[in-house]
Amino acid sequence: AQKITQTQPGMFVQEKEAVTLDCTYDTSDQSYGLFWYKQPSSGEMIFLIYQGSYDEQNATEGRYSLNFQKARKSANLVISASQLGDSAMYFCAMREGFSGSARQLTFGSGTQLTVLP
Amino acid sequence: EAGVVQSPRYKIIEKKQPVAFWCNPISGHNTLYWYRQNLGQGPELLIRYENEEAVDDSQLPKDRFSAERLKGVDSTLKIQPAELGDSAVYLCASSLGGAGDREQYFGPGTRLTVT
Repeated sequence: AQKITQTQPGMFVQEKEAVTLDCTYDTSDQSYGLFWYKQPSSGEMIFLIYQGSYDEQNATEGRYSLNFQKARKSANLVISASQLGDSAMYFCAMREGFSGSARQLTFGSGTQLTVLP
Repeated sequence: EAGVVQSPRYKIIEKKQPVAFWCNPISGHNTLYWYRQNLGQGPELLIRYENEEAVDDSQLPKDRFSAERLKGVDSTLKIQPAELGDSAVYLCASSLGGAGDREQYFGPGTRLTVT
């Protein structure tokens, strides 16, 4: 079974509107971390936001927020007030194991977001 | 503060030729990762270093791939000989390591084309 599933290969959103990118995950660990990265056409992976499995509050970073629903094993990214520069590929990723220990990230297949003027 | 540096950015080689990629992580980051990203997919880990020790190389194709991280700073990933299926983007990432380690910071990647 896939550990990270992103079911939206492509998404379109109008500038200044909000958009939600879906991510579901599969793990039997109690301790894990969920990450979202942005990859523009230049290729670099840019860290956006992190949610720990024990965090009770949904993570927020500026215009980014993570809608964490632990029972449903979903970690959707919400981008508010979309900007043209938000057009990029977005990856959801998970690290299993205790926080603070360096572990590999398992990535989903990504969602290509296009912001329309 | 400088980010993760990788070179070259692009490389085109013929199959059966050797190729090497270089990575300089963020200063002070003890953990270094090499990922491979095939077209239209997310990155997949090849090898992870804690300082100069390779602690996870289970997904590295050891018959043709090798890596080293001398002195626990810069790292080199080598493919010899390259095959057509090795065409991909090779990403290097680093993180602090140890307690408090969380996000990984990625370099711009090396896009390899094998013809």
